[in-house]
Amino acid sequence: AQSVAQPEDQVNVAEGNPLTVKCTYSVSGNPYLFWYVQYPNRGLQFLLKYITGDNLVKGSYGFEAEFNKSQTSFHLKKPSALVSDSALYFCAVREPNNNDMRFGAGTRLTVKP
Amino acid sequence: KAGVTQTPRYLIKTRGQQVTLSCSPISGHRSVSWYQQTPGQGLQFLFEYFSETQRNKGNFPGRFSGRQFSNSRSEMNVSTLELGDSALYLCASRGTRAIFTDTQYFGPGTRLTVL
Repeated sequence: AQSVAQPEDQVNVAEGNPLTVKCTYSVSGNPYLFWYVQYPNRGLQFLLKYITGDNLVKGSYGFEAEFNKSQTSFHLKKPSALVSDSALYFCAVREPNNNDMRFGAGTRLTVKP
Repeated sequence: KAGVTQTPRYLIKTRGQQVTLSCSPISGHRSVSWYQQTPGQGLQFLFEYFSETQRNKGNFPGRFSGRQFSNSRSEMNVSTLELGDSALYLCASRGTRAIFTDTQYFGPGTRLTVL
């Protein structure tokens, strides 16, 4: 069965600096990978997804993620962090021919002014 | 397009009671999934419905059940509530075809507190 890991519970960055939120996965076959963000007392908002094609995926709010098959990773990145990016970030994976989507435990990103 | 809506947003119940949560998917979406989110367990998949049929089920006891109506609206029911059922319950809808690459869009959640 597929699984996803977010190795960092917490990431702290200064405003204006680049940010990376890490995600690794385990699937049988080619993965479908997703990133979501959750603000306090809100549902999850979709940021971006990788299905196939270019390994660098661009998403909402200036975020992007790089699919690396050899390292089974799908790290979320942003060149310049904003205080408003502070939130909980979830990576998710779905296997081909499988409706079950598995989420990571989440990484809390804090961007300090 | 209106997003996924969930009602009620907040609910307080006592142990032993039952509760019904409602979810209206994005117009045209036929798949609805339910998740439980708690600080300790994170996001856990409950079940998915597609065209009124349960297509997938997570590892939850039979006290948790759901259904989907012909207009794709879905309800989730929890009977004999326990303290550990306190959580944010999230509903997500996807696709007109609900193929594996479809994006799930989430509602704001229902915060259930069991006293």
